[in-house]
Amino acid sequence: GAGVSQSPSNKVTEKGKDVELRCDPISGHTALYWYRQSLGQGLEFLIYFQGNSAPDKSGLPSDRFSAERTGGSVSTLTIQRTQQEDSAVYLCASSLVTPLDGNEQFFGPGTRLTVL
Amino acid sequence: GENVEQHPSTLSVQEGDSAVIKCTYSDSASNYFPWYKQELGKGPQLIIDIRSNVGEKKDQRIAVTLNKTAKHFSLHITETQPEDSAVYFCAASTPGAGSYQLTFGKGTKLSVIP
Repeated sequence: GAGVSQSPSNKVTEKGKDVELRCDPISGHTALYWYRQSLGQGLEFLIYFQGNSAPDKSGLPSDRFSAERTGGSVSTLTIQRTQQEDSAVYLCASSLVTPLDGNEQFFGPGTRLTVL
Repeated sequence: GENVEQHPSTLSVQEGDSAVIKCTYSDSASNYFPWYKQELGKGPQLIIDIRSNVGEKKDQRIAVTLNKTAKHFSLHITETQPEDSAVYFCAASTPGAGSYQLTFGKGTKLSVIP
């Protein structure tokens, strides 16, 4: 079946512009995560959506970052007034959520954002 | 919050040899430990995971061990092949955090020399 898809695959923007990144999770997965991967670094948690619950925004680095998930499926991550330090690969993951703890997360290919 | 340390950052092995990557975590409540393989230009792919009620898990040439007392877990790859060359990430998940978010190590770049 189809995996997690993200678009665009690459985005080059100028400092100060806004960008929107899109994630299509695996059908039926109720949990959706955004992570950021800077060059040579591990993955940094940004935000989590689960069903109709309030999202966990604890990882967002500043108020320039926001995300929404419409209809419990597609999600968009918005970065306003982009800065050069926002340059990174933004990864989306989705998972089923079961009563068990720890759920396998399936990652998309990522969006490489370059801020000039 | 949880902190995950991963070593080494780079590892080169001869084809056919074994590779071991080690991770430590800080939160004793963490109970799910996945390992991901990331090839250039792709998203991370889960290769094996272990839960805290298990000490070891094996899948063909890949095995993971967990020592809850010492709070460390390791990835073992035997009979390495060139296609094993990639960046490997360990991660830990803590229940009760509400989001099952993963805290990742910084990665190990594995190079298998033919």
